[in-house]
Amino acid sequence: QQPVQSPQAVILREGEDAVINCSSSKALYSVHWYRQKHGEAPVFLMILLKGGEQKGHEKISASFNEKKQQSSLYLTASQLSYSGTYFCGTAVSYNTDKLIFGTGTRLQVFP
Amino acid sequence: EAGVAQSPRYKIIEKRQSVAFWCNPISGHATLYWYQQILGQGPKLLIQFQNNGVVDDSQLPKDRFSAERLKGVDSTLKIQPAKLEDSAVYLCASSLVPAGYGYTFGSGTRLTVV
Repeated sequence: QQPVQSPQAVILREGEDAVINCSSSKALYSVHWYRQKHGEAPVFLMILLKGGEQKGHEKISASFNEKKQQSSLYLTASQLSYSGTYFCGTAVSYNTDKLIFGTGTRLQVFP
Repeated sequence: EAGVAQSPRYKIIEKRQSVAFWCNPISGHATLYWYQQILGQGPKLLIQFQNNGVVDDSQLPKDRFSAERLKGVDSTLKIQPAKLEDSAVYLCASSLVPAGYGYTFGSGTRLTVV
């Protein structure tokens, strides 16, 4: 079943923060986060594994709550380059890395 | 390193015609995926290969879609005959096994069926 993301869309000014959530009805082994700009391919941001730590690079970080089958992506001090659609991708086991992608969250950052 | 190569970039065909898409993954990536992305939606997995074997094709409409990965490298996805609802972007991705390193996607092929 497809993971549900919230919110569906976010509008920000440069420098503002945002949180994007991803919820699954299945027990998860890992959660991936990708950003897709209009007309381009999705780009891998980070992966969170069951039993792993909160990840982050630059001003983008994420957490994974295994008990709730939820992950959150945190964007702090947003930049214009953060604009795009964010997708979570979930995998249910170590043996298969088949990802089921979420419904997507469109983020727009304005000057 | 070179990325995932896909061709063609765009394709317009009439319904009931056939079409083929090509993908060359990153060298050394054993796993290859084909995803279908309809406008405004997340990518939907069509088929997963590991080397030249099929791991998962449960979502592939096998009456019209077929895919192969010869010699565990390049892959071809074919649609025959195409329907209007096949209009979408077809994304190829590859990953190391296991995918603790994420997928690398190609630029995709935008298919329009008229």
